[in-house]
Amino acid sequence: QVQLVQSGAEVKKPGASVKVSCKTSGYTFSNYGISWVRQAPGQGLEWMGWISGYNGYTSYTQKFQGRVTLTTDTSTGTAYMELRSLRSDDTAVYYCARDPGVTTIVWRLDPWGQGTLVTVSS
Amino acid sequence: QSVLTQPPSVSGAPGQRVTISCTGSSSNIGAGYDVNWYQQLPGTAPKLLIYGNNNRPSGVPDRFSGSKSGTSASLAITGLQAEDEADYYCQSYDSSLRVGVFGGGTKLAVL
Repeated sequence: QVQLVQSGAEVKKPGASVKVSCKTSGYTFSNYGISWVRQAPGQGLEWMGWISGYNGYTSYTQKFQGRVTLTTDTSTGTAYMELRSLRSDDTAVYYCARDPGVTTIVWRLDPWGQGTLVTVSS
Repeated sequence: QSVLTQPPSVSGAPGQRVTISCTGSSSNIGAGYDVNWYQQLPGTAPKLLIYGNNNRPSGVPDRFSGSKSGTSASLAITGLQAEDEADYYCQSYDSSLRVGVFGGGTKLAVL
């Protein structure tokens, strides 16, 4: 079955960077994209960006442009999300999710990874 | 403040029918972009419940259905069960923001 397994929880200080991994299995990685969505404590869902599993093309929401980098390792079917210059309001659960789009975003997420809690605190 | 507006909470007794609304605008739902719905059980990741306005992924019970009209969409749940207690999010694409957008979420309580 299709699975997305994310790396474990992180605690970071303000100004630091964090890199979260998303290991996929059960499907051909290059036939789909991966989106990243975050959820602050007790809050709703917020789209961060998308990366093609086919050619590595990326699209970022304006809010995170310049502070987030999405990458993939096609040899292992793993996607990565790096967020820099962390602030306390970046404390959230970060999710990866598969998107059917290969060269363009389809904006439909299924399935999702289990989530990675990133805590930013001094 | 979310681009798509949902009621913060709804409730119903077991066996009843509830609906959750999702109101957008002419740059998202009203522009014809598809609406998807996600179910987030407590402490878990969201799960795709409805896609393309009214389609159910395999494994989703037919008690769940979606509809869309104008600038709004709705999720209906019939035969309410205790296991349906969760947060529900609508999602679409916004052409002005050029990004996928979510509703603020609706907490469903089964009384």
